[in-house]
Amino acid sequence: DAGVIQSPRHEVTEMGQEVTLRCKPISGHNSLFWYRQTMMRGLELLIYFNNNVPIDDSGMPEDRFSAKMPNASFSTLKIQPSEPRDSAVYFCASRKTVNTEAFFGQGTRLTVV
Amino acid sequence: AQSVTQLGSHVSVSEGALVLLRCNYSSSVPPYLFWYVQYPNQGLQLLLKYTSAATLVKGINGFEAEFKKSETSFHLTKPSAHMSDAAEYFCAVTSAEYDYKLSFGAGTTVTVRA
Repeated sequence: DAGVIQSPRHEVTEMGQEVTLRCKPISGHNSLFWYRQTMMRGLELLIYFNNNVPIDDSGMPEDRFSAKMPNASFSTLKIQPSEPRDSAVYFCASRKTVNTEAFFGQGTRLTVV
Repeated sequence: AQSVTQLGSHVSVSEGALVLLRCNYSSSVPPYLFWYVQYPNQGLQLLLKYTSAATLVKGINGFEAEFKKSETSFHLTKPSAHMSDAAEYFCAVTSAEYDYKLSFGAGTTVTVRA
């Protein structure tokens, strides 16, 4: 299996622009997580899907952030408009069942200038 | 709220010395617990997991952890540190109490002195 695939690996954008991060989970996995990692705040859970349904989005910073999972093999995290404080590494992870480990993608390093 | 506390944001050990990383969790129902390692510019990789079987769990690279319900702890140890163990380590918890969302601690950076 190719593992969790995220794209792009790096993104540099200007403040105010829309940014879309993409994730392809491992086939057969039922749960998908989006995390944000920064030096200041560590690893924060943004949103958690189970069977394509958002279960917990309490970590989504504000209305500028949105996430979708239209099917079991694809998810997006969108930031509109982007701000410099959104600069971080964004990770996607997927999990087969609740008592199994989550597998992480390589992350997307976002820089907003 | 579901939480994981890792004591010590930085740990420095000599090569060959014991590595001990502390993790305490909060959950009123039986949790599932994990330790992950992150090397620079990479994603997180699983070291080991506790999923209600044996309380002493062995993982990769010589690491092990013990689940102690009475202390709500899941500390990670390795008897003899190697230079390649220098990385950041994260403890994580999931449970039915919080719909099985996966929450991570703040992480502990390990440096290994020659």
